[in-house]
Amino acid sequence: EAQVTQNPRYLITVTGKKLTVTCSQNMNHEYMSWYRQDPGLGLRQIYYSMNVEVTDKGDVPEGYKVSRKEKRNFPLILESPSPNQTSLYFCASSPWGRETQYFGPGTRLLVL
Amino acid sequence: AQTVTQSQPEMSVQEAETVTLSCTYDTSENNYYLFWYKQPPSRQMILVIRQEAYKQQNATENRFSVNFQKAAKSFSLKISDSQLGDTAMYFCAFMENTGANSKLTFGKGITLSVRP
Repeated sequence: EAQVTQNPRYLITVTGKKLTVTCSQNMNHEYMSWYRQDPGLGLRQIYYSMNVEVTDKGDVPEGYKVSRKEKRNFPLILESPSPNQTSLYFCASSPWGRETQYFGPGTRLLVL
Repeated sequence: AQTVTQSQPEMSVQEAETVTLSCTYDTSENNYYLFWYKQPPSRQMILVIRQEAYKQQNATENRFSVNFQKAAKSFSLKISDSQLGDTAMYFCAFMENTGANSKLTFGKGITLSVRP
């Protein structure tokens, strides 16, 4: 089944404790992206990747890192999480630019 | 920068009736893409419909259709024969056709409730 998977789905952590949210797609898509969803703000892009080893900032990159060592994986790294990073996070992928993006199931993160 | 506005935070409709969700956007681009995504209580983001700006014909997908007014920068979603499973949050989204980033710019969303 073609899909985008994220792990974990739910995470409670404390301020400053490094964490990684994984994202994997099995559709051989070149483009991948991370969004965060906050009430009243819709979804906003954090980082994106056009292909392996090609990543760039979106609209709200502060406090996040990403890497794209393999085509299928695009992990989101929070080196020192803070409470304002409490949010619902989505990974998305598409075959290439301007194609419809397919979203993962979301990761709900709570930073205490 | 592009912006997407969904001015109605909530709407309610009786089952089997028709409802229209509004969306306006602002851009200086001529070529772009517009989307409606559905987010049910499971939080999954599900594509409902997609419209290319260069196409004059309005997109349709079964009970879902759009009214795309390019000059007015308006992109409304019509849901016909509403079903209880249509209860969800709906997001309007814009994607420009220039540059390397295929970023989706989302509106704030509208919560739709379908009443039995």
